[in-house]
Amino acid sequence: EVQLVESGGGLVQPGGSLRLSCAASGFTFSSYDMHWVRQATGKGLEWVSVIGTTGDSYYPGSVKGRFTISRENAKNSLYLQMNSLRAGDTAVYYCARDGRAAGSFDLWGRGTLVTVSS
Amino acid sequence: DIQMTQSPSTLSASVGDRVTITCRASQTISHWLAWYQQKPGKAPKLLIYKASTLESGVPSRFSGSGSGTEFTLTISSLQPDDFATYYCQQYNNYLCTFGQGTKLEIK
Repeated sequence: EVQLVESGGGLVQPGGSLRLSCAASGFTFSSYDMHWVRQATGKGLEWVSVIGTTGDSYYPGSVKGRFTISRENAKNSLYLQMNSLRAGDTAVYYCARDGRAAGSFDLWGRGTLVTVSS
Repeated sequence: DIQMTQSPSTLSASVGDRVTITCRASQTISHWLAWYQQKPGKAPKLLIYKASTLESGVPSRFSGSGSGTEFTLTISSLQPDDFATYYCQQYNNYLCTFGQGTKLEIK
């Protein structure tokens, strides 16, 4: 089955760190750019990062310097290392596949909840 | 950064209505725009990519148009399953931005 499954979410204190994982299956993971997108409760979608097939990565200003996206093709896995977490980072984090055309996400996971609170 | 502005924020409509949602980019993005549908508690679902290409399996009542800075998503005849929140999303130079969303409600 073609799917993405996120894990690693949880409760973390402000200033803390967390590493999210996304396990891909059913497709050739190494052939796709991959993204992280987040959504705070009751709010809209916010793009968090992208990693290309060659390992190049990009971030919006809101997380640049604090978050690092990485991938391990041999394990069909995507990661998001989140440091210096703030209350505003509280959200459901989705991984998504860039499948149909550059920058459109045709496959999404169910998400993992990250809560930043003391 | 490119900003995406969707309108309206909320839209009330009835089954069978034709509805249009607009998305404007703060600078030109050619045709690099996608539309998603999201229902409560679920991940978004891709409807349209490259501004006007219908994703496989999406009903033909959904259509997209536009280029440059102004884009529209049209649902030709609303069905009960279409009441959800819709987002536009742009892609430019490896960076992405979503619109703030349009909640489509039953009138």
